[in-house]
Amino acid sequence: AQKVTQAQTEISVVEKEDVTLDCVYETRDTTYYLFWYKQPPSGELVFLIRRNSFDEQNEISGRYSWNFQKSTSSFNFTITASQVVDSAVYFCALSEVETSGSRLTFGEGTQLTVNP
Amino acid sequence: SAVISQKPSRDICQRGTSLTIQCQVDSQVTMMFWYRQQPGQSLTLIATANQGSEATYESGFVIDKFPISRPNLTFSTLTVSNMSPEDSSIYLCSVDPGQGHYEQYFGPGTRLTVT
Repeated sequence: AQKVTQAQTEISVVEKEDVTLDCVYETRDTTYYLFWYKQPPSGELVFLIRRNSFDEQNEISGRYSWNFQKSTSSFNFTITASQVVDSAVYFCALSEVETSGSRLTFGEGTQLTVNP
Repeated sequence: SAVISQKPSRDICQRGTSLTIQCQVDSQVTMMFWYRQQPGQSLTLIATANQGSEATYESGFVIDKFPISRPNLTFSTLTVSNMSPEDSSIYLCSVDPGQGHYEQYFGPGTRLTVT
């Protein structure tokens, strides 16, 4: 069965530090998608990125970057020069296209606190 | 992407009553989903609601407790029936806009407190 593990329950950093959020997944499908979502204190889930299983290119978007490694089943998320507004819960999620279609399995989330 | 609204945004309900949550999307979508997020927890999928068919429930969720309607391609409701304090959660709807990308976009959620 599919599974997503975010081992870091809480991370606290000081503003301008770089921080990496870890995500490890398990799946038997060869075709799958991985996602990161941000949930600020307001509660709404914000979609950040999608990566399919055939595209291992890393991606950078501003201060955000993602490192996808199939060999270690990991999809890690790095925030460079963190800011207070980055404080939120971040969720990694998996969609197994072959067995589950669009259904998402979420990790437990990582609470990131960025202190001024 | 899609713009999704939910009503109500929050409610406080008494044990034994029922609450119907509405989810409205600004465009036609085939696939809609309902999730529950218990306090301090991750999201758990309750059911998938496709227009024109019965909702598909995940293990641990039953139609009698969480009846879902999907009357058209832009609207769905989730009812939380015979509520108990354990039902206190955030309930979120989401949509997959299609196009083969499989990402989901979420509504703002309904914060339910059962006393």
